[in-house]
Amino acid sequence: AQSVTQLDSQVPVFEEAPVELRCNYSSSVSVYLFWYVQYPNQGLQLLLKYLSGSTLVKGINGFEAEFNKSQTSFHLRKPSVHISDTAEYFCAVSDIWGGKLIFGQGTELSVKP
Amino acid sequence: EAQVTQNPRYLITVTGKKLTVTCSQNMNHEYMSWYRQDPGLGLRQIYYSMNVEVTDKGDVPEGYKVSRKEKRNFPLILESPSPNQTSLYFCASSPERNSNQPQHFGDGTRLSIL
Repeated sequence: AQSVTQLDSQVPVFEEAPVELRCNYSSSVSVYLFWYVQYPNQGLQLLLKYLSGSTLVKGINGFEAEFNKSQTSFHLRKPSVHISDTAEYFCAVSDIWGGKLIFGQGTELSVKP
Repeated sequence: EAQVTQNPRYLITVTGKKLTVTCSQNMNHEYMSWYRQDPGLGLRQIYYSMNVEVTDKGDVPEGYKVSRKEKRNFPLILESPSPNQTSLYFCASSPERNSNQPQHFGDGTRLSIL
């Protein structure tokens, strides 16, 4: 079975500052990893995913994440955030055979002017 | 427009009164799933379906039923709702059975069980 831990429940940051949202996972098998974003009163949208290959994954809206197998982490980063990035971000993991998708508890990113 | 549609968006009801939340997708996706979202717990999977007439339990299936009689629809049924099922519910779909495909989410259904 897989599990996901998002290490920060809330991350406040000023506009144009860099940000890192941390995600650690646990699994005894190979996994796929995802980051989703949820804007207020909306469903989730996929930001990026890691399936295989390069450990640095680039997504939409200038976000990127790095898969670190030895540290079982998949942290999300953006070099310069905007007010519009204020949202809740979810890390998720699944095994490579499909079916279940396990989500972390979520991190609220609050970007202040 | 490709979308996952849930109805109703909001519902307040009472304990024990059966209810159904509908979910429909227009993308001919094989995989559909239901989640509930609770503060501090993230999203937890209730049930999923990899194809018509094939459904499997997720992490929190107790108190819920689903059916997948046709590819586009995946209703969530609460036979006897209880207050601990008050939550925000999301339906999602993806094109393939494997979870390496991103899931498309509906806008959510907020249920309050009194």
